Amino acid sequence: GEDVEQSLFLSVREGDSSVINCTYTDSSSTYLYWYKQEPGAGLQLLTYIFSNMDMKQDQRLTVLLNKKDKHLSLRIADTQTGDSAIYFCAESILGNTPLVFGKGTRLSVIA
Amino acid sequence: DTGVSQDPRHKITKRGQNVTFRCDPISEHNRLYWYRQTLGQGPEFLTYFQNEAQLEKSRLLSDRFSAERPKGSFSTLEIQRTEQGDSAMYLCASSEGQNQPQHFGDGTRLSIL
Repeated sequence: GEDVEQSLFLSVREGDSSVINCTYTDSSSTYLYWYKQEPGAGLQLLTYIFSNMDMKQDQRLTVLLNKKDKHLSLRIADTQTGDSAIYFCAESILGNTPLVFGKGTRLSVIA
Repeated sequence: DTGVSQDPRHKITKRGQNVTFRCDPISEHNRLYWYRQTLGQGPEFLTYFQNEAQLEKSRLLSDRFSAERPKGSFSTLEIQRTEQGDSAMYLCASSEGQNQPQHFGDGTRLSIL
C-alpha cells in the first residue's frame, strides 16, 4: 500500500541547517518530491529525485534518498525566515500516477 | 508561462448549494489533476485527465462530484448538494505528461455555512 510519513514540526534558528525527514512504504516508487506550502497558497515544487539516485543538490537544497530504508530527507542550508512554511514529501508510483502526500512538516525559523 | 490558475480563490456557500471551480493549466500541459486538502493534512487525489480523457477517479470522488475537461485545456470541478464535509482547499495541478513533475495552482478554498 501507499503511505508517506513525516514528523509534524521542526524548529531551527536562522542560519542553521534544517533537515526534514520522510519515510514511504511503496517499494515501487520511482519519483519522490518535495513541495513547499506557505499560508493560503498552493504547493510550490522545490525539487524531486528519481529512485535510482542517492542524492540531488540544488543551491541550498540537498535531497538524500536511502532506498533500503525507504527514507528521504530534505536539507536546507543557511535556513532563512522566508523558509518558514509547511514542507510536503510525496511519492509517485512508477512515475505516472497521482501523487501520494505526507501530512507535511511545519518548519519554523527563529530569528 | 503564467502557471496554473484557479478561480475563484475563495467560495462561501450554504449547505445544499451547487458550486463549480475552474482550473487553467500551464499551456500545453496535457495532464491535469484535482486534489483536495483539509486542515492539517496533505493533498488527497480526486481525479486526473490526460487531454480530455478522465483516466482515474479516487473513491473520495462521490457521485456528487463531477469533473470535466471538454477541450483538453481548462477543467471544471462541480460539487452538487454541498455538505459541511466538503469544506476544504481544492487544488489543481498540471504536468507535461507521464513522468513529469506536477505544478500546482493556489487552490480554491471552499467554506460551507
